[in-house]
Amino acid sequence: EVHLVESGGGLVQPGGSLRLSCTTSGFTFNDFAMHWVRQTPGKGLEWVSGLTWNSELIAYADSVKGRFTISRDNAKNSLFLQLNSLRPEDTALYYCAREVYDPTGDHSHFDYWGQGTPVTVSS
Amino acid sequence: DIQMTQSPSSLSASVGDTVTITCRTSQTITKSLSWYQQRPGGAPNLLIYAASTLQGGVPSRFSGSGSGTDFTLTISGLQPDDFATYYCLQSYTTLSLTFGPGTKVDIQ
Repeated sequence: EVHLVESGGGLVQPGGSLRLSCTTSGFTFNDFAMHWVRQTPGKGLEWVSGLTWNSELIAYADSVKGRFTISRDNAKNSLFLQLNSLRPEDTALYYCAREVYDPTGDHSHFDYWGQGTPVTVSS
Repeated sequence: DIQMTQSPSSLSASVGDTVTITCRTSQTITKSLSWYQQRPGGAPNLLIYAASTLQGGVPSRFSGSGSGTDFTLTISGLQPDDFATYYCLQSYTTLSLTFGPGTKVDIQ
């Protein structure tokens, strides 16, 4: 059974840093691109960042570019998100999600999600 | 960047009703669209991918259609478990994805 478990969230002051982790099991981790998605309290979903199975392609939302860094360790079946220069507007529940890509149709989607780890940026 | 709109932003319906949610994109995305259900306090759950393919285990009362820039999610015969928020997601551009703003389905 596929599992994604996020950790590392917490309360941090503006300008501070956090490192989020997503530990996975139940599938061959290095077969899949992985992503981070966040949801601010009472609001919608925002894609944050994603990377391919071999980390060759990495992308960020404009709102986090230059402040957040995504990475993965395929040997440990884990995904990470380093959050630096945090702002109050980064307060959110951060989810990791697995991307499934169908080359025949050239489309992809997120088939598994974790339960999220909360990040609160406040003084 | 591809912009997404969803309509309506919220709706009230009764058990047994058929509801339709629309997602529109600012440029063509062929069929690179998926739909997710999110219940309060829960993570999003995949319903439909490639615009119209039902994810395994999802009830057949959910259906999706569309291509290009206009897409719909239809729930035929609303059940109590279906009262939730629904999001569309475009994945046309590699590693640059966008969610729609969401549609909340409430009990009338």
